[in-house]
Amino acid sequence: GAVVSQHPSWVICKSGTSVKIECRSLDFQATTMFWYRQFPKQSLMLMATSNEGSKATYEQGVEKDKFLINHASLTLSTLTVTSAHPEDSSFYICSARLEGAYGYTFGSGTRLTVV
Amino acid sequence: DAKTTQPTSMDCAEGRAANLPCNHSTISGNEYVYWYRQIHSQGPQYIIHGLKNNETNEMASLIITEDRKSSTLILPHATLRDTAVYYCIVRVATSYNTDKLIFGTGTRLQVFP
Repeated sequence: GAVVSQHPSWVICKSGTSVKIECRSLDFQATTMFWYRQFPKQSLMLMATSNEGSKATYEQGVEKDKFLINHASLTLSTLTVTSAHPEDSSFYICSARLEGAYGYTFGSGTRLTVV
Repeated sequence: DAKTTQPTSMDCAEGRAANLPCNHSTISGNEYVYWYRQIHSQGPQYIIHGLKNNETNEMASLIITEDRKSSTLILPHATLRDTAVYYCIVRVATSYNTDKLIFGTGTRLQVFP
């Protein structure tokens, strides 16, 4: 149980375009999901906490107008990288916590390459 | 900011126990310690977590010092498939009524034959 699915697993886009990444909890409802970014050979950096039905909470230094987060249902959160630039190329990973459980389940990640 | 410090890398012989240390000297009384591991280009995998007491599950054991300022993850019989980056994480509360995991830099464990 407690599976989190991310789509797409990889994407290449042109500089200046926007890219949407989906994060779904397949067998449970998640009122809270988390978005992380990971650069090569570095740790995961928390970008924002996505709350169902309300605005996301962004970590310090993360541009909320560039990384749009929508958590419209209890099983889906989306991250849109707007006006992508090569420096946005990274591994984006989402996570969700099963209510009442202790573990945070992570998706398999999305590798974004901006050319 | 991460509340944990770990060695950058460690080696372990296959079949031997791997002991991965973690310092979290600023941990608060109600903050849990979590361990995850990440194999290259995959999402992190949950291993174990604890608050005060030592914990054991089918994957590993977690030893937390009495003052809670450090802990050790033990993989009792390491295999080649245990080669990964291991993250020691403190789960912190937020001002908006939820918790979040803040990752440290992790330990790259290399298990060799």
